[in-house]
Amino acid sequence: GAVVSQHPSWVICKSGTSVKIECRSLDFQATTMFWYRQFPKQSLMLMATSNEGSKATYEQGVEKDKFLINHASLTLSTLTVTSAHPEDSSFYICSASGQAEQYFGPGTRLTVT
Amino acid sequence: GEDVEQSLFLSVREGDSSVINCTYTDSSSTYLYWYKQEPGAGLQLLTYIFSNMDMKQDQRLTVLLNKKDKHLSLRIADTQTGDSAIYFCAESIDSSASKIIFGSGTRLSIRP
Repeated sequence: GAVVSQHPSWVICKSGTSVKIECRSLDFQATTMFWYRQFPKQSLMLMATSNEGSKATYEQGVEKDKFLINHASLTLSTLTVTSAHPEDSSFYICSASGQAEQYFGPGTRLTVT
Repeated sequence: GEDVEQSLFLSVREGDSSVINCTYTDSSSTYLYWYKQEPGAGLQLLTYIFSNMDMKQDQRLTVLLNKKDKHLSLRIADTQTGDSAIYFCAESIDSSASKIIFGSGTRLSIRP
C-alpha cells in the first residue's frame, strides 16, 4: 500500500517554543492531507484538512493561529505548533488521501515540558 | 451529527474468535473502515466495506454490515497474541473519503 511518513517521530520541547512536524506521501501525490490529534487512550480527532496550494480548513475549536498548516506540494504538508504549552502534548497523526481511502503516517509524539 | 460508538474493551482467549462491534449514526456513510493501532504507532487500515455490501471476508477477518441498524462488526478468527491492539471503527460520508469519523476504539486483549 501507499506509504506516508512523518518526521520527527517524537519530540520534546520547552513551553513557549514552536515545533514543526512534517508529513510526506512517499509514493503518491496527495492533493489532500489531514492532521489528527490523539490524546492518551482516546480516539483520533480531526484538527484540519490541508489542500495543496490553498488554506487549510480547521475543525471547530482548533486554533488556526496556533496550529499552522502548510501544504506546499503534493507530497508534503507541515504542522507547526506555535508557542507550545504542556496541554499541547499529544500524538499527532497525519494522513494523505488516496483513492477512496486515507493512508496514515506513523504519528509524532509531542511532549511539551 | 455524526457519531461512531464502540465498546472500550474486549478480552478473548487465544485461539477463539474476537467480535468487535460498532454503531454509527449517519445513514449516508459510503465507506466503513476498521483500523488497527498498536501501542505508540499510527493506524493500519485492516479492511473497509462499501455501504452497499453486507459482508466482506479477508483471510481471518470478516466484516458484517447491517445498514438498516447502522451496525458494523469485525470478526477476527483464531485470535493470536499479535492481534492485541486498539481497533477503530470509522466511517466516511463523503464519496471521495475526504473526511473520516472515528469511533473511540476497542482495546482487544488476549488471554493465554
